[in-house]
Order: sequence, then C-alpha cells, then structure tokens
Amino acid sequence: SAVISQKPSRDICQRGTSLTIQCQVDSQVTMMFWYRQQPGQSLTLIATANQGSEATYESGFVIDKFPISRPNLTFSTLTVSNMSPEDSSIYLCSVAQDGYEQYFGPGTRLTVT
Amino acid sequence: KQEVTQIPAALSVPEGENLVLNCSFTDSAIYNLQWFRQDPGKGLTSLLLIQSSQREQTSGRLNASLDKSSGRSTLYIAASQPGDSATYLCAAATGGFKTIFGAGTRLFVKA
Repeated sequence: SAVISQKPSRDICQRGTSLTIQCQVDSQVTMMFWYRQQPGQSLTLIATANQGSEATYESGFVIDKFPISRPNLTFSTLTVSNMSPEDSSIYLCSVAQDGYEQYFGPGTRLTVT
Repeated sequence: KQEVTQIPAALSVPEGENLVLNCSFTDSAIYNLQWFRQDPGKGLTSLLLIQSSQREQTSGRLNASLDKSSGRSTLYIAASQPGDSATYLCAAATGGFKTIFGAGTRLFVKA
C-alpha cells in the first residue's frame, strides 16, 4: 500500500482567491487522481494527474479553474482558482498501482466564505 | 455511462448482527470493484478490491462478492461492532481507469 499526505488539511478562504493543495506519496506511483467530495455527497473525479504532461479532466472540470501539476511520480498539486462558496468541499488525492487498487490521502477540507 | 447505486442509504443495527450492504452498477465491463470505508471528516480506507476475474474477496470479518453478469456486488460484515460505524462506499473502475463511486451506505452499529 502507499502512504499519502496532503497539505493543508483544512483551510478557510475568501471568495475570489486561490488555494493550492499538495499531495505527497511515499513511493513512486503510476497513477494519481484528484477527487472532490461536496458536503453530504459521494466522490467525483476531477482529473487524472499525468506526470510530465497536462492533466486529463473529467466532464464539468476545466484547467483554468483546477490547474494541476505533477512534476514527478511522487508529488502533485491541485489549485482551486477564483474560489466561490460552491467550491467548499473536501478535496482528495488518490493513487493507484498494479491491479489498480486505489489509496486515498486524508483529504483537504476547504471552506470558502 | 456507468452508474453506481448503493442500497440502503442508511442502516442502523444492534451490535453482533450480521449485515449485507448492496452495490449495483449499470455497465458490466468493469476492471475492478473496490469497497471503502469513510469515517466522518476523514479520507477513504480501502477495505477490499475485487478484480473483474474474481468472484469474492475476504478480509477478517468482511467478505465482498462480485457478480458482473447481474451488475452487483455485496459487502458482508459479520458480527458487527460499534467500531464498524462509518460510511461504506463502493467504486467501479471502468476502461481508461475512470472510477465511479456510489453515494454510500451510512452504517450505525448500536452497542
């Protein structure tokens, strides 16, 4: 299994600002993903973070709003840009290896006021 | 388009009871199905992973089955304990490794 850490664990931000969330894995992994979990809801995949190339975004999510970087096989960042209260959610990083079993980080709880 | 449904949405049982959580998916062409546990305000903990070629997996008091032809998976929890109280999520991975999550079953085990 992989051990995943995320920073920050939580934050309260003002609308119109941006927040960058970091995801660090203790070993090299092939696949990294970013999910959003809105209050009381299940998880929705935002994008697949590709090492050395642009992320692959799911329908309804765009690079200008959620820019993602993945400079190497153990690290990725997700930025939530120009935030509004509707962006208040838990943002989760996950990784997958052989067999595609997914492991999740502890999440970042974002509140936008 | 893959859709994943979990029934029931919530469940309250007395300690010691055996219980079954249900997960159904609309597209049988899945790569794998994974069950997770989520405690309030926390991330997800992987419980069991069933590859598409497998029928079931077991870990301790947990047993998960997979029937691709009927589009169903079940998570069986034996001798439930208050510490089992959490939300249980199933997730189906399809082509291109797109994973679709169900809405979850909130379980409360009463002491």
